[in-house]
Amino acid sequence: KQEVTQIPAALSVPEGENLVLNCSFTDSAIYNLQWFRQDPGKGLTSLLLIQSSQREQTSGRLNASLDKSSGRSTLYIAASQPGDSATYLCAVMEGGQAGTALIFGKGTTLSVSS
Amino acid sequence: DTGVSQDPRHKITKRGQNVTFRCDPISEHNRLYWYRQTLGQGPEFLTYFQNEAQLEKSRLLSDRFSAERPKGSFSTLEIQRTEQGDSAMYLCASSPVPHEQYFGPGTRLTVT
Repeated sequence: KQEVTQIPAALSVPEGENLVLNCSFTDSAIYNLQWFRQDPGKGLTSLLLIQSSQREQTSGRLNASLDKSSGRSTLYIAASQPGDSATYLCAVMEGGQAGTALIFGKGTTLSVSS
Repeated sequence: DTGVSQDPRHKITKRGQNVTFRCDPISEHNRLYWYRQTLGQGPEFLTYFQNEAQLEKSRLLSDRFSAERPKGSFSTLEIQRTEQGDSAMYLCASSPVPHEQYFGPGTRLTVT
């Protein structure tokens, strides 16, 4: 059974720091991996999607990497800002039947202080 | 607005009542998903439609839960005889090929 783990569960940093959020998954046979942002009481905003054949994706100050063989992904946030404060969720879609459920980690709650 | 929409945004109901939620996906997306999220947890998959066909259901979707997607457009999720354990955020997502899922704002259900 696929399990997704995110470390750390919470992170507090001062504004301007670069930071890394970690995601690990137990079964490397994934179709894709998606990183989301969730503000308190709100829905999920898709940040980056990495297909299983890709190694990384970049969007602005965000960079996500994928190492399928080791079952790991990282989300790198450069020059953090208070507006980055949110919960970041990692989710994998298992291979074999594309278009089915995402399996989520519990998230990393980030707080960026000014 | 071309995003996924959900209605209502909040619902408070008494235990034992029935509730129904609606999701309108992005118009060109043929895949629609329902998830449930409780406090401090990641979303958990409930069910998935491709067009009007319900192709997969989680074990979380007990007999009290039913979902429909008539004509492959909007979808409804009904919970019968609600229990306090049903209190959660219910999230809807839609996706096109190549399967990036876009989520709506969610419906927060509180069962008293």
